[in-house]
Amino acid sequence: KAGVTQTPRYLIKTRGQQVTLSCSPISGHRSVSWYQQTPGQGLQFLFEYFSETQRNKGNFPGRFSGRQFSNSRSEMNVSTLELGDSALYLCASTWTGTNTEAFFGQGTRLTVV
Amino acid sequence: DAKTTQPNSMESNEEEPVHLPCNHSTISGTDYIHWYRQLPSQGPEYVIHGLTSNVNNRMASLAIAEDRKSSTLILHRATLRDAAVYYCILRGPPGGSSNTGKLIFGQGTTLQVKP
Repeated sequence: KAGVTQTPRYLIKTRGQQVTLSCSPISGHRSVSWYQQTPGQGLQFLFEYFSETQRNKGNFPGRFSGRQFSNSRSEMNVSTLELGDSALYLCASTWTGTNTEAFFGQGTRLTVV
Repeated sequence: DAKTTQPNSMESNEEEPVHLPCNHSTISGTDYIHWYRQLPSQGPEYVIHGLTSNVNNRMASLAIAEDRKSSTLILHRATLRDAAVYYCILRGPPGGSSNTGKLIFGQGTTLQVKP
């Protein structure tokens, strides 16, 4: 069974630009969550999508948004990039039935210059 | 969200057992205790979870205190591949209204394994 796939793996953007990251969950999983990981703040929850609806949201500014498609694939978008947005962005998929194990992708490393 | 407290770092020798502690004094009666670990340059991976009884799987054992205010992840024979950051996380029960994909990570324990 294929794991969680995140694309691209690496990205370099300039301040002020916007970026879109993609996450393909494990087949059959309906929940996709996004996390930001930085050396200073650790792993922080961004938001979760389930059945195309945002179910949870972390404490991030409105520049961070996401969406989920009918095939459960998810995208997150960051607009007006700032240097502080440089981070590893991870997504995790969960079936959200009785199985509570979350499966993570390898992440997208975003560098803002 | 209930909070967990873990030591920042621990060291172990290869092939020796490792006991990674976690305190969760504000745990609710329905919270499950989950452990994840993050190997260098990878996303976190699930290790084990439990509610009240001790749990074993191929990766590790989880020992839960009788009052559930603390737990210990046990790696029976540490290998160099076990060097990682270990996270202890509390989650709501399966199927419950709080059972979502959201995980609240603390700082975790960085485990160093020496040859």
